[in-house]
Amino acid sequence: TQLLEQSPQFLSIQEGENLTVYCNSSSVFSSLQWYRQEPGEGPVLLVTVVTGGEVKKLKRLTFQFGDARKDSSLHITAAQPGDTGLYLCAGDRGSYIPTFGRGTSLIVHP
Amino acid sequence: GAVVSQHPSRVICKSGTSVKIECRSLDFQATTMFWYRQFPKQSLMLMATSNEGSKATYEQGVEKDKFLINHASLTLSTLTVTSAHPEDSSFYICSARQGPETQYFGPGTRLLVL
Repeated sequence: TQLLEQSPQFLSIQEGENLTVYCNSSSVFSSLQWYRQEPGEGPVLLVTVVTGGEVKKLKRLTFQFGDARKDSSLHITAAQPGDTGLYLCAGDRGSYIPTFGRGTSLIVHP
Repeated sequence: GAVVSQHPSRVICKSGTSVKIECRSLDFQATTMFWYRQFPKQSLMLMATSNEGSKATYEQGVEKDKFLINHASLTLSTLTVTSAHPEDSSFYICSARQGPETQYFGPGTRLLVL
């Protein structure tokens, strides 16, 4: 059983479109991280959210942590080909050992 | 952000040989490092937690005698794949924890066992 469910698993869109990636769980997390990974490279940390209801923005990316700290979303506005990659969420339940979701593979076509 | 390096970036070896992968935190000390394995287009699978000065904690299903982990200093952890076989071919990634909520990943090591 996957502790963190990410959806969609695959996403193929045109440049300029908006998209949202979801990360859901039945467990409460003390913190949750979003990463972006390109092929053949390690994941790069995008953001850490720790407070229920928290919203963080990183240019065209908006991250939200659910009020109950069980879910999170990543919204990308006006996607660009450079946004292509594998997006991973990872949650920490207080043990400081992260649990990763399956990932969302995003392809943005020019 | 902080920098974590891995060496080698890719390695090809013959079946039955052992391969050592190094993970270094370059600009901070990490009492805890993690080792992951990743298959193509899949998420990261945690293999073990490496703690400086103590034995690593392995996840269920990971053979500790096959995947030897040594965390010799606050900036270096090594993963040795012993008697490697083709099914061990994968992308191995380490991360180093800086603070309770943040970990930085290395660039990964591509292992191919022939």
